[in-house]
Amino acid sequence: QKEVEQDPGPLSVPEGAIVSLNCTYSNSAFQYFMWYRQYSRKGPELLMYTYSSGNKEDGRFTAQVDKSSKYISLFIRDSQPSDSATYLCAIKRGSGGSNYKLTFGKGTLLTVNP
Amino acid sequence: GAGVSQSPSNKVTEKGKDVELRCDPISGHTALYWYRQRLGQGLEFLIYFQGNSAPDKSGLPSDRFSAERTGESVSTLTIQRTQQEDSAVYLCASSLVVDEQYFGPGTRLTVT
Repeated sequence: QKEVEQDPGPLSVPEGAIVSLNCTYSNSAFQYFMWYRQYSRKGPELLMYTYSSGNKEDGRFTAQVDKSSKYISLFIRDSQPSDSATYLCAIKRGSGGSNYKLTFGKGTLLTVNP
Repeated sequence: GAGVSQSPSNKVTEKGKDVELRCDPISGHTALYWYRQRLGQGLEFLIYFQGNSAPDKSGLPSDRFSAERTGESVSTLTIQRTQQEDSAVYLCASSLVVDEQYFGPGTRLTVT
């Protein structure tokens, strides 16, 4: 079983839709959770970062973590064409050895149609 | 301010040749990372540098891969005797704290 599973999509939605992106992970040692956005031919850009179960909101973006289910989500409200990109979840261990290594999902390609 | 920069942005090389990829981290960032992104795959960790500590090379896929960093500045990733399976985007990231890694635009390597 892969450490992080992410549905690669592609996902196509109309402008204004609510988008839900998800990842599951297998190891409870992972304690930190990130979402990166990657535009075509660009490097990943950190969008959201959280370490606790529950919700974290930043503008139109909400990151949700359920550690009991090992399930993380990113919600995008009022999606815009400029949100069209690949979204990557990333996880890492808490304190201890190798806590600097990010383990990434494969990414979900999102297209928001005007 | 200036972000992480990488050069070249694209590199096409023949199988068997050596290539050198360069990363300029954000000034003041003590940690530097290299990742590989193959088509349809997630980013794979390759190597981690932190200050003057010994680097974590555990992600390097073979002994054809090596990396160096001078102090807290530029890093180079070298791939010797390139193979077609080395074709990928090589991404560099830097950070002040391990929780927030800032990525460069990557070098797209194509081995023909």
